[in-house]
Amino acid sequence: DTGVSQNPRHKITKRGQNVTFRCDPISEHNRLYWYRQTLGQGPEFLTYFQNEAQLEKSRLLSDRFSAERPKGSFSTLEIQRTEQGDSAMYLCASSLGAGGNEQYFGPGTRLTVT
Amino acid sequence: SQKIEQNSEALNIQEGKTATLTCNYTNYSPAYLQWYRQDPGRGPVFLLLIRENEKEKRKERLKVTFDTTLKQSLFHITASQPADSATYLCALGGDSTLTFGKGTMLLVSP
Repeated sequence: DTGVSQNPRHKITKRGQNVTFRCDPISEHNRLYWYRQTLGQGPEFLTYFQNEAQLEKSRLLSDRFSAERPKGSFSTLEIQRTEQGDSAMYLCASSLGAGGNEQYFGPGTRLTVT
Repeated sequence: SQKIEQNSEALNIQEGKTATLTCNYTNYSPAYLQWYRQDPGRGPVFLLLIRENEKEKRKERLKVTFDTTLKQSLFHITASQPADSATYLCALGGDSTLTFGKGTMLLVSP
C-alpha cells in the first residue's frame, strides 16, 4: 500500500464551475477526513466518514460543499458554483479505529479559482 | 471560542542544537494532542501523540510534553539536523476530529 492518494493534484477552474476531488485512503483504514488549508494556516477540518457513514458535516464551509464515501472506500469532495475564496489546498486523511489515532494525509489537491 | 497558538515567527537554530516549539491553547480541554510535520506542497506527516493523562512522550530524537494545567505542549527535537527544517503543526483532539494550529516553521542551519 502506497498511502493516501488524491486526484487531481492541481485543479484550475473558473468561478461558478463545479469541481470534484477524489481521495483513496489506505485500504484498511475505516476513517476518512477532509480538510482545507490556506496559505499560512493549519488544516481546517471539514468532514469525516467512518466507513460509509458521514458522522460530522456541520463544519463543511457552506451548502456548496458536499462529500460522499459510497462504499466505504474512496471518497469525493464536491464544490458547486466555485468562488475565488474556495482557492486552497484540499487535504484528505485516513486513520484506523476510533478517534485519537494518527491520521495519514494525502498530498492534497490544490484548487485555484479564477 | 477555541484558540490554539503556535509561534508565528520562524525558529532559526544551528545544527546540533535542541529545537523547542510551543503550542498553547485556550477554551479547550483536549483528550489528546498530536504533532505533525509539514513540508512545502505536501500533506502533514504524523510524528507523536500524547494523551491528557500523559506528561511526556519520546520517540528517537523527538520529545513532547503536555501540561493540561498550563494548557501547553512543548515539542523538542534534539541534535537537530538541516533535514528537520519544516513546519511543525500541533493538533488538539477531544472527539473524533482534530483542530490544528497554524504551525511554526523551523529552520536548521548547518
